[in-house]
Amino acid sequence: EPEVTQTPSHQVTQMGQEVILRCVPISNHLYFYWYRQILGQKVEFLVSFYNNEISEKSEIFDDQFSVERPDGSNFTLKIRSTKLEDSAMYFCASSVSQPGNSPLHFGNGTRLTVT
Amino acid sequence: TQLLEQSPQFLSIQEGENLTVYCNSSSVFSSLQWYRQEPGEGPVLLVTVVTGGEVKKLKRLTFQFGDARKDSSLHITAAQPGDTGLYLCAGDYSGGGADGLTFGKGTHLIIQP
Repeated sequence: EPEVTQTPSHQVTQMGQEVILRCVPISNHLYFYWYRQILGQKVEFLVSFYNNEISEKSEIFDDQFSVERPDGSNFTLKIRSTKLEDSAMYFCASSVSQPGNSPLHFGNGTRLTVT
Repeated sequence: TQLLEQSPQFLSIQEGENLTVYCNSSSVFSSLQWYRQEPGEGPVLLVTVVTGGEVKKLKRLTFQFGDARKDSSLHITAAQPGDTGLYLCAGDYSGGGADGLTFGKGTHLIIQP
């Protein structure tokens, strides 16, 4: 069964450094998302992406964050200058159509640790 | 900001028992999804409910959507150790738009053999 893949599975970085988290969504899906989950807390929406542009973003997704679909398969999340509070699991997800109409398929996440 | 409240936060029961967990909101959902998350993995969809009063069954799991579409429940019959996990509900308030889902904090379920 097709699945969403994320790399790396773990990323350790120093505060102030830039990180890029990578995702390969399911090939026929059109909507892409990033969520994060701080340890012990709930899954939080960051951003949705459709038709090569951001559809919606949360308050968490500030100017330090950006997303890109550089080619036909990858979907990336960049954090320009990481802060300690960015430490979390970051999940990529994709869906065939809008989230209320079709299920989200999540990857297994990237655990980001900022030291 | 929409909030989903899930209860209980933690539940530990013996194999063979029945249980119900709840998901509540003060706002109306366009649709609601239940996910299960294992440690170190992403959430995996169990079911989507759309219509008020809807009941869906997935083997020993029964999902119900409230008539007013503000609440949902998950009932597990004859729980098994393999049911152990974090159960998340996630609501769509956007009416089919591209907004992200709003997740609850989840119910940590442990089924003891």
